[in-house]
Amino acid sequence: AQKITQTQPGMFVQEKEAVTLDCTYDTSDPSYGLFWYKQPSSGEMIFLIYQGSYDQQNATEGRYSLNFQKARKSANLVISASQLGDSAMYFCAMSQSGNTPLVFGKGTRLSVIA
Amino acid sequence: ETGVTQTPRHLVMGMTNKKSLKCEQHLGHNAMYWYKQSAKKPLELMFVYSLEERVENNSVPSRFSPECPNSSHLFLHLHTLQPEDSALYLCASSQGFTGHEQYFGPGTRLTVT
Repeated sequence: AQKITQTQPGMFVQEKEAVTLDCTYDTSDPSYGLFWYKQPSSGEMIFLIYQGSYDQQNATEGRYSLNFQKARKSANLVISASQLGDSAMYFCAMSQSGNTPLVFGKGTRLSVIA
Repeated sequence: ETGVTQTPRHLVMGMTNKKSLKCEQHLGHNAMYWYKQSAKKPLELMFVYSLEERVENNSVPSRFSPECPNSSHLFLHLHTLQPEDSALYLCASSQGFTGHEQYFGPGTRLTVT
């Protein structure tokens, strides 16, 4: 069975600093995808970044980058130059090949302080 | 409108009421989802529809009844709910339902009294 673990229920970061949100996953499928979503207080989930298991390079999208360490089965999200608007819940998710939809972790609440 | 919309945004209902949540996606996707998000639990996948057929039902109580009349619309019919069903209900859509990012609606905040 696939599983996503986010060990940090809450994180604080100073504005303009970088922050890393941890995510580890467990799967025996060689083909999988890893996703990060942001959920502000408004409730909607916003897709941030995707990493495929066969991608050779770490994914980057603007201030977001994914530190993908396949051997350690970790897919940490790095947010550079944090902004107050980055305060939200962040969810890591994984999908596998075959007929399986996304599985989400429990989330990490990030608070950016001025 | 663009993206994924959900109505109503907030709903308060008694345990004997019948209500429906509506989701509409304007992205041309062919898969749609219902999730439940409670305060102290991870996001729970409830139902998945792919090409208008239900492909997953995660042991959801029968008081929740989904309906997908076409690839753009998804409903969640509610009847005789319990207070523990109070949660944020999120709808999402994607192109294919494996290996693709999902786009979420703003959610319906449901309170059962």
